[in-house]
Amino acid sequence: EAGVTQFPSHSVIEKGQTVTLRCDPISGHDNLYWYRRVMGKEIKFLLHFVKESKQDESGMPNNRFLAERTGGTYSTLKVQPAELEDSGVYFCASSQGDSYEQYFGPGTRLTVT
Amino acid sequence: AQRVTQPEKLLSVFKGAPVELKCNYSYSGSPELFWYVQYSRQRLQLLLRHISRESIKGFTADLNKGETSFHLKKPFAQEEDSAMYYCALRRTAGNKLTFGGGTRVLVKP
Repeated sequence: EAGVTQFPSHSVIEKGQTVTLRCDPISGHDNLYWYRRVMGKEIKFLLHFVKESKQDESGMPNNRFLAERTGGTYSTLKVQPAELEDSGVYFCASSQGDSYEQYFGPGTRLTVT
Repeated sequence: AQRVTQPEKLLSVFKGAPVELKCNYSYSGSPELFWYVQYSRQRLQLLLRHISRESIKGFTADLNKGETSFHLKKPFAQEEDSAMYYCALRRTAGNKLTFGGGTRVLVKP
């Protein structure tokens, strides 16, 4: 069975441009999470979907970030416009029901120049 | 708000030596504590959780509520243990994980 997949693996964009990251969770997992690790800092929670609904978006840094999960399957995270401080690795994770274990994707490395 | 602290950014040990990764947390409720590991060129994966009280790959971790700690230990480190280790906390309500800054372990031959 395929694990959590993320696309692209690496993105380099200029400040002010728009980037969309995609996450495909493990099939059947209702819970989908976004995290990010900014250079030199810890992995931080961004938001949590249960199916297509945003359960917790307390970690979203500002309104330049928009996450969607249409149909409760894959999710996208759009950054518009991107700023230098948005550079980092964006992780997606999924889990099933009330399970404690979150399965992580390989991450998308975003570089804003 | 909850917080997880891993005071060591890098631990370098020789093969066969004991290794202990420190993790301290602050949270007013009863949290769930986890250790996640990321090997080179692999994704982040769960190593163990405090509730299961099991040993995985020779690693153990005991939750000490009095000291608010969840240190990870292995009596005899192996070269394949070289990786990045993250301590994480989950509140009783809600599923998000709060991570520590991570500790890089390097096991030298």
